[in-house]
Amino acid sequence: QKEVEQDPGPLSVPEGAIVSLNCTYSNSAFQYFMWYRQYSRKGPELLMYTYSSGNKEDGRFTAQVDKSSKYISLFIRDSQPSDSATYLCAMSEDSSYKLIFGSGTRLLVRP
Amino acid sequence: DTGVSQDPRHKITKRGQNVTFRCDPISEHNRLYWYRQTLGQGPEFLTYFQNEAQLEKSRLLSDRFSAERPKGSFSTLEIQRTEQGDSAMYLCASSLEEGTGKYGQYFGPGTRLTVT
Repeated sequence: QKEVEQDPGPLSVPEGAIVSLNCTYSNSAFQYFMWYRQYSRKGPELLMYTYSSGNKEDGRFTAQVDKSSKYISLFIRDSQPSDSATYLCAMSEDSSYKLIFGSGTRLLVRP
Repeated sequence: DTGVSQDPRHKITKRGQNVTFRCDPISEHNRLYWYRQTLGQGPEFLTYFQNEAQLEKSRLLSDRFSAERPKGSFSTLEIQRTEQGDSAMYLCASSLEEGTGKYGQYFGPGTRLTVT
């Protein structure tokens, strides 16, 4: 079993929909949780960064962490076709240590 | 552009040849990481440096792989006697060290290696 599990999708939604992306993990030592967006054949781009449990909002993006359930989520409001990409969750035990990634969820936002 | 840069962006090589990739991190970042990503998977950690010291190497990093970061600035990743299984995207990332209050690893565009 992988340390971080993520549904590969693809997830197809109409423009304007609210998107929910999720990851589960098994290592209780993870404290830092990140979401990256990756366009085809490009490097991952850091979207959101959360420490420990709780919510964090940045524009149309909201990240949630529930450490008791070992479950993290990323919500995208008012989704746009330009949001079509692969979304990767990543976690680490400290803020500058190696990241453990999920396999990514491919999102397609239809105009 | 002050982001992470990698060179070359693409490399095609024949099995058995040696290849070397370069990464230039964000200038004020003292931690540098190498990851490998294959199709349909998330990046997998290979190794990381704090300044010029290599602090950890993954078991994925066989003895054919070597990484250096002389003078704590740019880094190189060399693969000797390449095999077809080495075909992947090699990603470099950089960050500030723990305790600075500034978080997150920032990735470069990657070097796509194809071994024929």
